[in-house]
Amino acid sequence: GAVVSQHPSWVICKSGTSVKIECRSLDFQATTMFWYRQFPKQSLMLMATSNEGSKATYEQGVEKDKFLINHASLTLSTLTVTSAHPEDSSFYICSAEEGAGTGELFFGEGSRLTVL
Amino acid sequence: AQRVTQPEKLLSVFKGAPVELKCNYSYSGSPELFWYVQYSRQRLQLLLRHISRESIKGFTADLNKGETSFHLKKPFAQEEDSAMYYCALSQGGSEKLVFGKGTKLTVNP
Repeated sequence: GAVVSQHPSWVICKSGTSVKIECRSLDFQATTMFWYRQFPKQSLMLMATSNEGSKATYEQGVEKDKFLINHASLTLSTLTVTSAHPEDSSFYICSAEEGAGTGELFFGEGSRLTVL
Repeated sequence: AQRVTQPEKLLSVFKGAPVELKCNYSYSGSPELFWYVQYSRQRLQLLLRHISRESIKGFTADLNKGETSFHLKKPFAQEEDSAMYYCALSQGGSEKLVFGKGTKLTVNP
């Protein structure tokens, strides 16, 4: 099956700094990728839809200036958490669809962010 | 608003016993329902989707629109089925998923 890779797997940063998380589709092209956030013991929550070559679409309640998404190529989307604070500490997961309209999403391994 | 409810956070059964993981949803349109599984230290992966009507690893799930449910069932659980299971819903034609909180299944020897 298709492979989606995230980097880094975990990151610790100081409050006020920015952190970038990469999501790559390794063996397929993805015009659309999705970013999720998972709080401890809670469900995955869709944050935004990343569209190659255009602006991301954010879900209600997600600050677009806080969580910058860039989808510059068909195999790479990045999520940058700007001016991170402890409450941004979470598990971030991306997914991508192999082939438009197939409906099957492949997920990255996830990135755990800890903001001190 | 779309919502997916998995009422059981934890479910424990013995090997060989039947297992049912419950999932209820609320959505006014025509939903597409999925079950995703996450084995220990592995990434989330699709287990099955209702439109394919497949049986994967012995698991089946039937969409019951009257009861707005999509329960996951397996007649004889195996130890390797121990994992975290997430029920998810998407609007027809959309890849946006709404997830339930997940159920951790433990199959004891």
